[in-house]
Amino acid sequence: QKEVEQDPGPLSVPEGAIVSLNCTYSNSAFQYFMWYRQYSRKGPELLMYTYSSGNKEDGRFTAQVDKSSKYISLFIRDSQPSDSATYLCAMSPDSNYQLIWGAGTKLIIKP
Amino acid sequence: GAVVSQHPSWVICKSGTSVKIECRSLDFQATTMFWYRQFPKQSLMLMATSNEGSKATYEQGVEKDKFLINHASLTLSTLTVTSAHPEDSSFYICSARIQGGLTFGSGTRLTVV
Repeated sequence: QKEVEQDPGPLSVPEGAIVSLNCTYSNSAFQYFMWYRQYSRKGPELLMYTYSSGNKEDGRFTAQVDKSSKYISLFIRDSQPSDSATYLCAMSPDSNYQLIWGAGTKLIIKP
Repeated sequence: GAVVSQHPSWVICKSGTSVKIECRSLDFQATTMFWYRQFPKQSLMLMATSNEGSKATYEQGVEKDKFLINHASLTLSTLTVTSAHPEDSSFYICSARIQGGLTFGSGTRLTVV
């Protein structure tokens, strides 16, 4: 079993829909949780960063961490075609950020 | 802020030659750089961690004599793929530790023919 599980998709939704992306993990020591967005042939871009449990909101993006269930989510409201990309979750037990990565979910927003 | 510039963005080389990839932190000092490799439709695989002024730490299974990493200054880290072979063709990405996570270079697509 992988330490971090993420459905690779693709996930295809119409423009304007709410998107839910998820990761599960097995290591209870993880404290730092991140979501990255990666466009084709580009490096990942940090979207959201959360320490420990709880919610964090930034514009159309909301990150949730449920440590009791070992489950993290990224919600995208009012999705746009420009949101089409691969979304990777990553986590670390400490601030050294030697991250453990999910496989990435390919998201397609249809106009 | 916190931009990492990576060059080249793509390179094609002949089998047996060496290729150098550069990553520069433009507006901050990167004491630690991470080098990743990514295969198509797969996630990032950490190859090595480099700290300025010291030898890189390689992940298990990564040949340190093949993938030479130099982190001679706080703003520059390089990865040299020596005696490249077609199986080394991949997407290589560097990243630096910043507050709240990692910031990544734009990646280098290496094709060995």
